[in-house]
Amino acid sequence: AQSVAQPEDQVNVAEGNPLTVKCTYSVSGNPYLFWYVQYPNRGLQFLLKYITGDNLVKGSYGFEAEFNKSQTSFHLKKPSALVSDSALYFCAVNYGNMLTFGGGTRLMVKP
Amino acid sequence: GAGVSQSPRYKVAKRGQDVALRCDPISGHVSLFWYQQALGQGPEFLTYFQNEAQLDKSGLPSDRFFAERPEGSVSTLKIQRTQQEDSAVYLCASSYAFSGTVVGYTFGSGTRLTVV
Repeated sequence: AQSVAQPEDQVNVAEGNPLTVKCTYSVSGNPYLFWYVQYPNRGLQFLLKYITGDNLVKGSYGFEAEFNKSQTSFHLKKPSALVSDSALYFCAVNYGNMLTFGGGTRLMVKP
Repeated sequence: GAGVSQSPRYKVAKRGQDVALRCDPISGHVSLFWYQQALGQGPEFLTYFQNEAQLDKSGLPSDRFFAERPEGSVSTLKIQRTQQEDSAVYLCASSYAFSGTVVGYTFGSGTRLTVV
């Protein structure tokens, strides 16, 4: 069975500082990994994905994620946080035709 | 429109009432998915359609939940005899690929169901 863990319910960071949102996964075989962002009363918006290849994946809005197979992690990063990045972030892993999501991490960026 | 459209945006139902939630996927998208997102949690898979065929309904929590996509486009999620534990946001997503999880989905804004 597949699973995703996001160990932090909330991450607080000052605007302009780097941010990291953590994700670890458990899946048999090669994982397809995703990050989505959710703003209030909105659906999930795709940020980036890892399928194969380079371990550093670049996505929308300046976000990137690093795939680490030995640590089974796929942490989301951004070099310089913006107040507008404040939202709920979900890591997900695919299994068959479905995505399994983590519980989400709320990112709060303070001016 | 260019996105996945869901209606209604909000629905309040009395316990025991039947509800129907609608999803209009992006035109031409073959794959359609329903997810349930309880308050403070990540979305959980309910069911998957490829065109009009319901290929996976393993996530439907009980036989009160029923989904259909009769013409391979619009889909309806029906919940019979609603219970308080059904209160959640119901998200629909679609993909142009037969294996949507590889290329990614486009999600709608969801329907927030509150059962009172």
